[in-house]
Amino acid sequence: AQRVTQPEKLLSVFKGAPVELKCNYSYSGSPELFWYVQYSRQRLQLLLRHISRESIKGFTADLNKGETSFHLKKPFAQEEDSAMYYCALVPGRDDKIIFGKGTRLHILP
Amino acid sequence: DAGVTQSPTHLIKTRGQHVTLRCSPISGHKSVSWYQQVLGQGPQFIFQYYEKEERGRGNFPDRFSARQFPNYSSELNVNALLLGDSALYLCASSFGTGELFFGEGSRLTVL
Repeated sequence: AQRVTQPEKLLSVFKGAPVELKCNYSYSGSPELFWYVQYSRQRLQLLLRHISRESIKGFTADLNKGETSFHLKKPFAQEEDSAMYYCALVPGRDDKIIFGKGTRLHILP
Repeated sequence: DAGVTQSPTHLIKTRGQHVTLRCSPISGHKSVSWYQQVLGQGPQFIFQYYEKEERGRGNFPDRFSARQFPNYSSELNVNALLLGDSALYLCASSFGTGELFFGEGSRLTVL
């Protein structure tokens, strides 16, 4: 079964501390993985995708096929990082995206 | 470009009624997909349309239907509403590559 698991509903981190949002997936083929973010009172938007290998707003995510994980990391949290983060899997060449339940990241001052 | 626009933003219906939600994609995007987001959950895929053809359907009952018009706008219809249909309905448009651009959603409450 195709599934995305985000084990933490809420993650509270102090400003300046490292952040790691966990994501594990279940998929038999070669997945395409994304992180989407929703800031307060804004619409859901793409943060990054694994194939681009970019760092966006200081965030990076590495696909680990052995551990079937795609954890989102940032070395130094900023207050503006507070948001809802969704890990997402695209199993095919279309827009049927499977989202995890999301993790709310709360950056403490 | 205003981005993906959805209407209405909020609506209240009673059980058994029917609802139509509308979505206008970003100019140039030919793919429109619909997602249901229940409180505390991630968005769940309902439908995708590309070039007016249904490309994908999620695990939703036949009460849910959709279509895409020649101008690439789309409608989501839900018949015989149930209390459990209360949710935020998100529309997203794209070039069909998996990078979605979401609207702000239509919040449906079924009483």
